[in-house]
Amino acid sequence: DIQMTQSPSSLSASIGDRIIITCRASQNIDSYLAWYQQKPDKAPKPLISAASTLQSGVPVRFSGSRSGTDFTLTITSLQPEDFATYYCQQYKSYPVTFGGGTKVDIK
Amino acid sequence: DVQLLESGGGLVQPGGSLRLSCTASGFSFDLYDMNWVRQAPGKGLEWVSTVTGGFGTHYVDSVKGRFTVSRDNSKNTLYLQMSTLRAEDTAVYYCAKKAVTGGGNWFDTWGQGTLVIVSS
Repeated sequence: DIQMTQSPSSLSASIGDRIIITCRASQNIDSYLAWYQQKPDKAPKPLISAASTLQSGVPVRFSGSRSGTDFTLTITSLQPEDFATYYCQQYKSYPVTFGGGTKVDIK
Repeated sequence: DVQLLESGGGLVQPGGSLRLSCTASGFSFDLYDMNWVRQAPGKGLEWVSTVTGGFGTHYVDSVKGRFTVSRDNSKNTLYLQMSTLRAEDTAVYYCAKKAVTGGGNWFDTWGQGTLVIVSS
C-alpha cells in the first residue's frame, strides 16, 4: 500500500500569512494526488487534482506542486475562511490512501 | 446540481449488521465509479470501498470479507452492506463520486455523511 505522510499535523497562522503543507508518498504516484479542505462537521471539499490543477471556484491563492514524491499545498494570503483541516489523497493505485491531515487554526 | 444523499446510519451492537444507502442525482450515475469514505470521530479520512461503473469492487483490507459494496443503476443508488461490525467501524460514512469517468479515482462530490455507531 502507498503511505501518504502529511506534515505538519497542525499549524497556527495569521490572516494574510503564506502557509505550506507537505505530503510525501512512500513510492512514485506520478501526479495522481488530490487535496481536500474540510471544515468541522462538513464533508471534504476538493481543491486540487493531478497535483496542481485547481478546481473550478477555488480561489487562486491555493496552489499545488510536485517534486518527485513530495507534494505541496500552498495558500498565499490566508483568509478567515481558510481555517480548516486539509488532506492529501493519492489515487495512483488501490487502496486509495489519504494523508493524516493538517489542521490550520488561527494564531 | 450533482447531489449525493446517504441514509441508513445508526446505533448497532458489535457483531451486528447495517446497510447504508446513497441516492445520487444530477449526473449519469451508471457512468461513474462510486466510493465510500469514512471518518472516525476526531480522526482523518479513510477510503473504504469502490464499485466501478462496470461493477468491479475494491476494499480496504480492514473491511474485506465483512463489507459488500453494490449499486443499483436503475435506482441511482449506491449501497454498503456492513456485517460483523466492530467498535472501530464507528465513523461518519461518506458517499463520494469519482470525478471523471476515466483517469484516477479522486472525488469531486461528497454526500453529507451518515453516522454509524457500533456499541453495546
